[in-house]
Amino acid sequence: GPKVLQIPSHQIIDMGQMVTLNCDPVSNHLYFYWYKQILGQQMEFLVNFYNGKVMEKSKLFKDQFSVERPDGSYFTLKIQPTALEDSAVYFCASSSGTGGQDTQYFGPGTRLLVL
Amino acid sequence: GDKVKQSPSALSLQEGTNSALRCNFSIAATTVQWFLQNPRGSLMNLFYLVPGTKENGRLKSAFDSKESYSTLHIRDAQLEDSGTYFCAAATSSGQKLVFGQGTILKVYL
Repeated sequence: GPKVLQIPSHQIIDMGQMVTLNCDPVSNHLYFYWYKQILGQQMEFLVNFYNGKVMEKSKLFKDQFSVERPDGSYFTLKIQPTALEDSAVYFCASSSGTGGQDTQYFGPGTRLLVL
Repeated sequence: GDKVKQSPSALSLQEGTNSALRCNFSIAATTVQWFLQNPRGSLMNLFYLVPGTKENGRLKSAFDSKESYSTLHIRDAQLEDSGTYFCAAATSSGQKLVFGQGTILKVYL
């Protein structure tokens, strides 16, 4: 089936540093998402992105977070500066239609550990 | 409170038996997705549902938007079915999926 790729699979950084998580969505998809899963807990929506803009974000999407997708490149989530509570698995997803109208396909996740 | 409530939270099944997982929604869900998260953490798409029923092999899922619930039936459970099952709902006004807390399934011999 359609594949979403995420790079890196794991990242360990010191608190206060910047980190960029990269997502390679399904090639013809137009809607992109980030979700956060703290170990053993449920998946929580962070943000979705369409046509170069943030469409919706949750309260978990702090001011230190930003997303972008420069033409033809990865969809990225940047956290600057990082905090201890940012340790989690971050999942990227993409869909061809708007969130409620089409299947969202998820990547394998990036496991972020902030020390 | 939880907008998507899954039950049971955990389940042990003997290989070859059947069971059902359920999600109740307190939001106006228009579509539902079911996922299996394996022990490595990867999410596998199982079903995308508008109101109605779908079947794939030993799995069958139903979504009733009027009664605000969805079910996932597992027939003839196998060891490789073990993992955490998540349902997630989207609404007509939102772009996001709202996830349940998951059902941890363990299949044993």
